[in-house]
Amino acid sequence: DAGVIQSPRHEVTEMGQEVTLRCKPISGHNSLFWYRQTMMRGLELLIYFNNNVPIDDSGMPEDRFSAKMPNASFSTLKIQPSEPRDSAVYFCASRPGTTGNTIYFGEGSWLTVV
Amino acid sequence: DAKTTQPTSMDCAEGRAANLPCNHSTISGNEYVYWYRQIHSQGPQYIIHGLKNNETNEMASLIITEDRKSSTLILPHATLRDTAVYYCIVLSSNTGKLIFGQGTTLQVKP
Repeated sequence: DAGVIQSPRHEVTEMGQEVTLRCKPISGHNSLFWYRQTMMRGLELLIYFNNNVPIDDSGMPEDRFSAKMPNASFSTLKIQPSEPRDSAVYFCASRPGTTGNTIYFGEGSWLTVV
Repeated sequence: DAKTTQPTSMDCAEGRAANLPCNHSTISGNEYVYWYRQIHSQGPQYIIHGLKNNETNEMASLIITEDRKSSTLILPHATLRDTAVYYCIVLSSNTGKLIFGQGTTLQVKP
């Protein structure tokens, strides 16, 4: 099992540029989560999908952030335009079946906006 | 969602048992207690979870009090590689969302 796969692992971009982070969940998992981690705010849940449908996006900071899940094996988190305060580690996670099952995390995408 | 309270930091001697406490006094009857850890620069790693009974796996043991208002994660023989931030989380039965607090930073010392 390859686990949750995220790309890119590291990205440095200039303020105002568009950033796209990608996630491949574990095969067969039907829930997918995007988290953001900073020193100041810790791990924050941004959005989660169930069966490719966004269920809760209340954690998405503002309109510059958008997330999609076009199919069961792929999701993107997009920031447009990016700002220095978006610098963080972004984690994707997935879970099989129902709400009581274990959630598994990827290794994260380290984003630096300069 | 039920809140959890954990000590900010703890030390443990290598080879000794590490006992990490967690309070979750507002937990509902059908909510699980989950433990994750995060080693520097890595994604959170699942350790163990439980509902009412004590649980044990190859990584750790979880002791949940009878009233379910608190729990303790036990690493039986801590090693230097167990140095990490440990998160105690109550899994919302309605939403299935994992909401992370600040966790306990465990430092295992030689």
